[in-house]
Amino acid sequence: GENVEQHPSTLSVQEGDSAVIKCTYSDSASNYFPWYKQELGKRPQLIIDIRSNVGEKKDQRIAVTLNKTAKHFSLHITETQPEDSAVYFCAARTGGSNYKLTFGKGTLLTVNP
Amino acid sequence: DGGITQSPKYLFRKEGQNVTLSCEQNLNHDAMYWYRQDPGQGLRLIYYSQIVNDFQKGDIAEGYSVSREKKESFPLTVTSAQKNPTAFYLCASSIVAGFQYEQYFGPGTRLTVT
Repeated sequence: GENVEQHPSTLSVQEGDSAVIKCTYSDSASNYFPWYKQELGKRPQLIIDIRSNVGEKKDQRIAVTLNKTAKHFSLHITETQPEDSAVYFCAARTGGSNYKLTFGKGTLLTVNP
Repeated sequence: DGGITQSPKYLFRKEGQNVTLSCEQNLNHDAMYWYRQDPGQGLRLIYYSQIVNDFQKGDIAEGYSVSREKKESFPLTVTSAQKNPTAFYLCASSIVAGFQYEQYFGPGTRLTVT
């Protein structure tokens, strides 16, 4: 089955700096890669996603890049703010008829004011 | 925040007892999922169902059981066979159509077994 590795497990940045979280996946048939943000005690919420036919996608201060050849994708957050502090999860969906996602282990991002 | 509800928010049980966690959605989604979340372990899939009366095991199904008798409901039973049941349990749902893969999560149930 699919295996998703996520790095780093913790990341601390100063407010205003950029943050980058990287994920690799094992199944070359995977075609959908979402990123979820989970604040303490809350449910995970989708912040951005990318499909395998696209190399990059941006939404204001966040962007995701995908390298299908290397089987890795990354989340980029620019001009970080304290409210960006949360756990971020990447995931991958393997192609086929099932719609399940395989998640990475998460990155705890701390933005220091 | 609407659409998927889980109850209760906190649940306490004694070892050896079965316990059922509730998950209901009014999003008209076909698929529903149960995840277990432990610190540093991410979200691990327990069971999922893409249609009523059908479900599949995820990566860590041992010690758990589910049913899907209605589209809106996907209860999870944590049985006494689950060796380490204390965890945060998340339910999610998604549509099953075309290229729409986003999963929507419920607020979670924190289960403590002593």
